[in-house]
Amino acid sequence: AQSVTQPDIHITVSEGASLELRCNYSYGATPYLFWYVQSPGQGLQLLLKYFSGDTLVQGIKGFEAEFKRSQSSFNLRKPSVHWSDAAEYFCAVGENFGNEKLTFGTGTRLTIIP
Amino acid sequence: GAVVSQHPSWVICKSGTSVKIECRSLDFQATTMFWYRQFPKQSLMLMATSNEGSKATYEQGVEKDKFLINHASLTLSTLTVTSAHPEDSSFYICSAPLGPTQYFGPGTRLTVL
Repeated sequence: AQSVTQPDIHITVSEGASLELRCNYSYGATPYLFWYVQSPGQGLQLLLKYFSGDTLVQGIKGFEAEFKRSQSSFNLRKPSVHWSDAAEYFCAVGENFGNEKLTFGTGTRLTIIP
Repeated sequence: GAVVSQHPSWVICKSGTSVKIECRSLDFQATTMFWYRQFPKQSLMLMATSNEGSKATYEQGVEKDKFLINHASLTLSTLTVTSAHPEDSSFYICSAPLGPTQYFGPGTRLTVL
């Protein structure tokens, strides 16, 4: 069975600093990988996704993520965070095409300090 | 594109009553939709897969008779929480896939008094 681990429950970053959120997955085949962001009381917004090809993917709001098969990782990065980036971030792995179930990590809460 | 809506955004009900939550894909069709439950400061827990024209598939431990799912059309799935109790209070989120990507609704906050 597939699984996703987000080792950091809570991260605090100064505004303008760089950010990296960690995600490790376990899946037997080539995974579909996603990062979602959730603001308080809101649904999930897709930041970016990886299916195949270039292992560095660009997303919305200046985020990017890099798929590293050897490390089973899909870490999310942003070079300079903004106060509006404060939210909960979820990494998810999808099953093969035709069964679109997602398995989510436990999430990382990002706090931005001025 | 790929917008999913939910209605209502929040609902308060008395214990023992039933509550219906709607999930709509606004600009695409979805033969399957997914219903999740999220407790405060926790991740999303998949409850069931809603299948258009057939029965829903429930995850282990989810009561089928408590959480009734109907996928009436290619753009609408409903979740009915029957005989709701305070422990059913939660944030319910639906999603619909467009290709391999899931798009999520804004969620429904259910409070059972």
